[in-house]
Amino acid sequence: KQEVTQIPAALSVPEGENLVLNCSFTDSAIYNLQWFRQDPGKGLTSLLLIQSSQREQTSGRLNASLDKSSGRSTLYIAASQPGDSATYLCAPNDGGGYNKLIFGAGTRLAVHP
Amino acid sequence: DARVTQTPRHKVTEMGQEVTMRCQPILGHNTVFWYRQTMMQGLELLAYFRNRAPLDDSGMPKDRFSAEMPDATLATLKIQPSEPRDSAVYFCASGPDWGGVKEETQYFGPGTRLLVL
Repeated sequence: KQEVTQIPAALSVPEGENLVLNCSFTDSAIYNLQWFRQDPGKGLTSLLLIQSSQREQTSGRLNASLDKSSGRSTLYIAASQPGDSATYLCAPNDGGGYNKLIFGAGTRLAVHP
Repeated sequence: DARVTQTPRHKVTEMGQEVTMRCQPILGHNTVFWYRQTMMQGLELLAYFRNRAPLDDSGMPKDRFSAEMPDATLATLKIQPSEPRDSAVYFCASGPDWGGVKEETQYFGPGTRLLVL
């Protein structure tokens, strides 16, 4: 059974810092891995999707890396802003015939001015 | 701007009452997912539908929960009878047919926040 762990559970930083959020998963037989953002009281928004054959994916100030063999993914946030404050969730796609996502507990990020 | 809608957004009910949550997937999406989010368990998949057929409901307590898609524009999740431990946020998500294409993501609704007293 796939288990996903995200470290740290919470992070509070001043604006402008570069951040690293970590995700580890126990079963490396994944199709892809996604990073989502969740704002308080809202649903999830997909940020980045990395295919199992890729090493990294970039979107603006966000960069996600994937080391499938070691069961790890990292989300880098450059030059953090208060608007980045949210919970970030990692979700490997277990496949098994459909787009089955297994979510970590998330990293709660607070960026203060 | 296509989006998944869910109703109601908030529901407070008493133990033993029936609760029905509704979801309208994005037009053209033929996969629908129901998730439950709690502080203790995080996000858990309850059920998965493809072309209105339930293909995986292994995460759903069968004795009190049921999920259906009466038509392509409506998915429902019903709890009968409800219990305090069912208090959680229930999310619906939809997506295009995965069909082995690995780039597809899921689009989440805003959730239904359920409190069972």
